[in-house]
Amino acid sequence: DAKTTQPNSMESNEEEPVHLPCNHSTISGTDYIHWYRQLPSQGPEYVIHGLTSNVNNRMASLAIAEDRKSSTLILHRATLRDAAVYYCIPRRMDSNYQLIWGAGTKLIIKP
Amino acid sequence: EAGVAQSPRYKIIEKRQSVAFWCNPISGHATLYWYQQILGQGPKLLIQFQNNGVVDDSQLPKDRFSAERLKGVDSTLKIQPAKLEDSAVYLCASSLVRSGTSGGQQYFGPGTRLTVL
Repeated sequence: DAKTTQPNSMESNEEEPVHLPCNHSTISGTDYIHWYRQLPSQGPEYVIHGLTSNVNNRMASLAIAEDRKSSTLILHRATLRDAAVYYCIPRRMDSNYQLIWGAGTKLIIKP
Repeated sequence: EAGVAQSPRYKIIEKRQSVAFWCNPISGHATLYWYQQILGQGPKLLIQFQNNGVVDDSQLPKDRFSAERLKGVDSTLKIQPAKLEDSAVYLCASSLVRSGTSGGQQYFGPGTRLTVL
């Protein structure tokens, strides 16, 4: 299984951009990279996913390194509501499309 | 669109008692997952259903945990008898039929927080 490495926690100021890194050096060529986040006392929610190209949606942007060994989730303008645990997850395409969850990065937003 | 529903939201029991959790997935979602999330950790998959069939239950402690999904819609997860180490949040998630697409986004319910005393 592909393993991921994320910082345990990060701090950022409100209304500033946040770059959340993830290392997934053992990812296979067909694994998509998914990001989920979990707000306090809630179930996780989908943020974004990609394979090779950078991706944008209304919540965030995902920048994937050319060698696919790392990726960065970008929150363009963090708000207090973005305080959550962010999970970088390789999605296995060869085994029931399961998500392999690590411990994630706890993002703290300072007002 | 209604989200994934779970009940109860909280449950406190004593060790060796039994407990059951219920999940109603998003309408039309064929795949259903039960996860266990211990405080400070990411979710751990316990069982995955495709319609009413089990796809993967390799991490389900089958001596005490059981799950079913009758008629391919609602699902229940049961623990009997409970141990102290079962204290966790139990999350249910659902997704559309898995396919060759890149998505397969999982939608999660709010979870059931179980405390075993």
